[in-house]
Amino acid sequence: EAQVTQNPRYLITVTGKKLTVTCSQNMNHEYMSWYRQDPGLGLRQIYYSMNVEVTDKGDVPEGYKVSRKEKRNFPLILESPSPNQTSLYFCASSLLGRKETQYFGPGTRLLVL
Amino acid sequence: GENVEQHPSTLSVQEGDSAVIKCTYSDSASNYFPWYKQELGKRPQLIIDIRSNVGEKKDQRIAVTLNKTAKHFSLHITETQPEDSAVYFCAALYIFGTGTRLKVLA
Repeated sequence: EAQVTQNPRYLITVTGKKLTVTCSQNMNHEYMSWYRQDPGLGLRQIYYSMNVEVTDKGDVPEGYKVSRKEKRNFPLILESPSPNQTSLYFCASSLLGRKETQYFGPGTRLLVL
Repeated sequence: GENVEQHPSTLSVQEGDSAVIKCTYSDSASNYFPWYKQELGKRPQLIIDIRSNVGEKKDQRIAVTLNKTAKHFSLHITETQPEDSAVYFCAALYIFGTGTRLKVLA
């Protein structure tokens, strides 16, 4: 089954404790991205990747890191989480090209205390 | 960069009525405009999209129109049903609007 998976789905952590949210897709998509969703702000892009070893900042990259060592995986890293990173995070993937729809993962709800 | 504005932020309609959500974009080079529906607690899912070489596209009760000159596009839902209640997002390629919470009243 074609899908995008994320882990964990829910996470409660404390300020400053490094964490990683994994994202994996089995559709051989070149393009992957991370979004955060906050009430009234919609979906804001954090980072994206056009292909292996190619990543770039989205609209709200501060406090986040990503890596793309393999085509199927695109982890999101919070080196020192802060309470303002409490949010709902979505990973998405698509075929590379300017007209392809994105497939979203199930979301990760993060609470930083 | 691209900027997408979406209105209204909330919309309540009676079951059976139509609902219209409007979006504007800033980058005239944008050429792909998807619409996503997000039900409560779920991920966004594509419901319809339109490419810049057409002005209108319809899929059963859902239609999208695009005005490239004015840089705006709209989602139209006719004969609304309670299961249409959700948050709808427009996008210009990978840049999203802020969402519209649609509530269909039975």
